[in-house]
Amino acid sequence: EDQVTQSPEALRLQEGESSSLNCSYTVSGLRGLFWYRQDPGKGPEFLFTLYSAGEEKEKERLKATLTKKESFLHITAPKPEDSATYLCAVCNYGGATNKLIFGTGTLLAVQP
Amino acid sequence: DGGITQSPKYLFRKEGQNVTLSCEQNLNHDAMYWYRQDPGQGLRLIYYSQIVNDFQKGDIAEGYSVSREKKESFPLTVTSAQKNPTAFYLCASSIDGDRGTYEQYFGPGTRLTVT
Repeated sequence: EDQVTQSPEALRLQEGESSSLNCSYTVSGLRGLFWYRQDPGKGPEFLFTLYSAGEEKEKERLKATLTKKESFLHITAPKPEDSATYLCAVCNYGGATNKLIFGTGTLLAVQP
Repeated sequence: DGGITQSPKYLFRKEGQNVTLSCEQNLNHDAMYWYRQDPGQGLRLIYYSQIVNDFQKGDIAEGYSVSREKKESFPLTVTSAQKNPTAFYLCASSIDGDRGTYEQYFGPGTRLTVT
């Protein structure tokens, strides 16, 4: 069964303390892996798409990487405004085109 | 400004009443989706549509209905048959996946409370 697991469920960092969020997946064939940021009471905001192992994408303090079994979202020198829930999702071959499978997210809190 | 709008932001209904949630996009995307989000669970797909006048059930379609009469619009009706309708509902859209991109863009959500 296709599955996406995110860890940790929650992470508390001090401002400037770098860390990584993990997204591990088991799918029959990966079309793409996606990272989203979600603020409380709002819709998810698209961050990155990764298509193949070894690919990396960066945006400000965030960097996403992909291997054949997992993806990491590295947060360098985070600020309080980076506090949010980060969601990972995959799109697989064999399923309906465009159907995404989501993890349950990592709730990140960055304290000043 | 291109984007996805959902209305209303908050919706309150009594048990036994049907309610329709609105979703409109001006991104010229072919595909549209409805998800529900509950605390501690990942987003779950209710219905999706890849083209006007066609839609497919997602993983949790029971108690819901949709229509896709226009490319820009994909309303969701929560019927009285849905046993646990209180949730945060999210609409999304994407360019046709057959062109090789699959990321979905989300609206701001509608929080539905049924008492």
